[in-house]
Amino acid sequence: ETGVTQSPTHLIKTRGQQVTLRCSSQSGHNTVSWYQQALGQGPQFIFQYYREEENGRGNFPPRFSGLQFPNYSSELNVNALELDDSALYLCASSLRREVETQYFGPGTRLLVL
Amino acid sequence: QKEVEQDPGPLSVPEGAIVSLNCTYSNSAFQYFMWYRQYSRKGPELLMYTYSSGNKEDGRFTAQVDKSSKYISLFIRDSQPSDSATYLCAMSANTGFQKLVFGTGTRLLVSP
Repeated sequence: ETGVTQSPTHLIKTRGQQVTLRCSSQSGHNTVSWYQQALGQGPQFIFQYYREEENGRGNFPPRFSGLQFPNYSSELNVNALELDDSALYLCASSLRREVETQYFGPGTRLLVL
Repeated sequence: QKEVEQDPGPLSVPEGAIVSLNCTYSNSAFQYFMWYRQYSRKGPELLMYTYSSGNKEDGRFTAQVDKSSKYISLFIRDSQPSDSATYLCAMSANTGFQKLVFGTGTRLLVSP
């Protein structure tokens, strides 16, 4: 059984640029959630994808968007980067309706200069 | 006011001590309660999961949920230096999608 993987591990961008982060789900999991974790804070829910459709969204602006592919892997896209977007971006995969089985990847650390 | 409150610590204890970590919450709709452990620069790792009220034990870890007080706890017995990490509580309501609401995390330091 493979775990959740994310790429890249680290990324440096400048204000106004766009970024794409990638996530591969744990084997057998069909739901992917994305979280943003600022330094010293708990993760904040961005959105969730199930069967290639957005299934729920947190308090993040539309410049945060995502995709889920038929193999359940996922992308998080952030446009018009701001300094406050600097954070650890976490992907979690799970089976739908099984809250307890959300398994997190190692995250992508994004720094916006 | 945040939905989930957690003391950020740090909490420093000697090896072998019993550790008590706590969270309070305000949303009475929360039904699922989780504890995650996060090592520095790593993703959160699920430690314990409890549905509704009650206790759950797994080895050296015990999770307690008191819904009447909106208070959850994680106890670690015989703490080890390898337990040094940030402990995050997380909660979810049965809303049809699995949004987890996290606390800030408590940093635990166990000294040899």
